[in-house]
Amino acid sequence: AQTVTQSQPEMSVQEAETVTLSCTYDTSESDYYLFWYKQPPSRQMILVIRQEAYKQQNATENRFSVNFQKAAKSFSLKISDSQLGDAAMYFCAYRFIQGAQKLVFGQGTRLTINP
Amino acid sequence: ETGVTQTPRHLVMGMTNKKSLKCEQHLGHNAMYWYKQSAKKPLELMFVYNFKEQTENNSVPSRFSPECPNSSHLFLHLHTLQPEDSALYLCASSPTARVDTGELFFGEGSRLTVL
Repeated sequence: AQTVTQSQPEMSVQEAETVTLSCTYDTSESDYYLFWYKQPPSRQMILVIRQEAYKQQNATENRFSVNFQKAAKSFSLKISDSQLGDAAMYFCAYRFIQGAQKLVFGQGTRLTINP
Repeated sequence: ETGVTQTPRHLVMGMTNKKSLKCEQHLGHNAMYWYKQSAKKPLELMFVYNFKEQTENNSVPSRFSPECPNSSHLFLHLHTLQPEDSALYLCASSPTARVDTGELFFGEGSRLTVL
């Protein structure tokens, strides 16, 4: 069974600095998707960034980028120039490409931005 | 209208009560999901509906009864709940349950407290 592990329950960073959130996963499949979702306090969970496993290039969305290491089954999220609005729970998630739309989530990392 | 709307946002119920959670999506999607989010635990998938048909029941106790009358609406009927069922219940939707992008669109959740 696929599992996703986020080993950092909480992280904090100074505003304008860079922070990296860690995620590892376990799967025997070769094709899959990986995601980072953001859940601000009392607000909807939204997609931050997506990575297809068959793509070697790391995904980037503005200040958000990933470091995808397929052999190591590692998928970290880097947030550059952190802003107060980045404060949230961040969830790493895995989805197998074939079959039903079933996302497997990690436990989450609570990110605090210090002004 | 926001994409995925959940009501009520907060619900307190006794163990013998019967209540329902409602989810409505305005995105034209055909797949809808219920997830349970408990503190310090990964999100747990409960049910998946694709074109109104249930395609996934993740061994959920029968005291949770889902209903999907059409592709835009999803209900979770609750009866004889236990205190450990207290959690944030998230509804999500996607274009279909077999879409390539893998992205889910979430509601803000219904915070359930069982006394």
